[in-house]
Amino acid sequence: DVKVTQSSRYLVKRTGEKVFLECVQDMDHENMFWYRQDPGLGLRLIYFSYDVKMKEKGDIPEGYSVSREKKERFSLILESASTNQTSMYLCASNRESYNEQFFGPGTRLTVL
Amino acid sequence: GQQVMQIPQYQHVQEGEDFTTYCNSSTTLSNIQWYKQRPGGHPVFLIQLVKSGEVKKQKRLTFQFGEAKKNSSLHITATQTTDVGTYFCAGNKVQGAQKLVFGQGTRLTINP
Repeated sequence: DVKVTQSSRYLVKRTGEKVFLECVQDMDHENMFWYRQDPGLGLRLIYFSYDVKMKEKGDIPEGYSVSREKKERFSLILESASTNQTSMYLCASNRESYNEQFFGPGTRLTVL
Repeated sequence: GQQVMQIPQYQHVQEGEDFTTYCNSSTTLSNIQWYKQRPGGHPVFLIQLVKSGEVKKQKRLTFQFGEAKKNSSLHITATQTTDVGTYFCAGNKVQGAQKLVFGQGTRLTINP
């Protein structure tokens, strides 16, 4: 059974803190994605990675960075958290050339 | 940039009534996918449509892809309480591309 896991379901941080969100998939997928989900806005792509150490910006990369040192792990980094980054963060993965994306359970981040 | 608009944002129906959500893209899509997110859950892939004018059925769910490959719809016949959730469409502009653009979602609630 395919599985995407995220390090935390809920996270509370303070403005200015550095925040790490971790995502791990066990399906040997080439592609991994980070989205944020906000009411009325759907899912918006922050960054994605199509290979180890490779990354591309999505639609809203400002204020975020990513790291992919191993194929199974994709990290989202908020260098200096701000209140407007309070959101649900979803990680997803898929196999190259196969479009169905598999999502993790999400991390609800609150920045105070 | 590419936009995918989805309407309505909310829909409340009586159990047994039909439900339809519509998706429109500002540009021609290579393919379109549909996802369902149960309350408190994460998006789960339902189906992918690739061909112009394509119609696919999954039990009570009917998915259509427009002739111009710019719009799509999901129709549920005789809704059941298990259909509750948010339905998202997501499109790929370029064949083989991994970046999906999601619609805002339609949240379906059902009165039993």
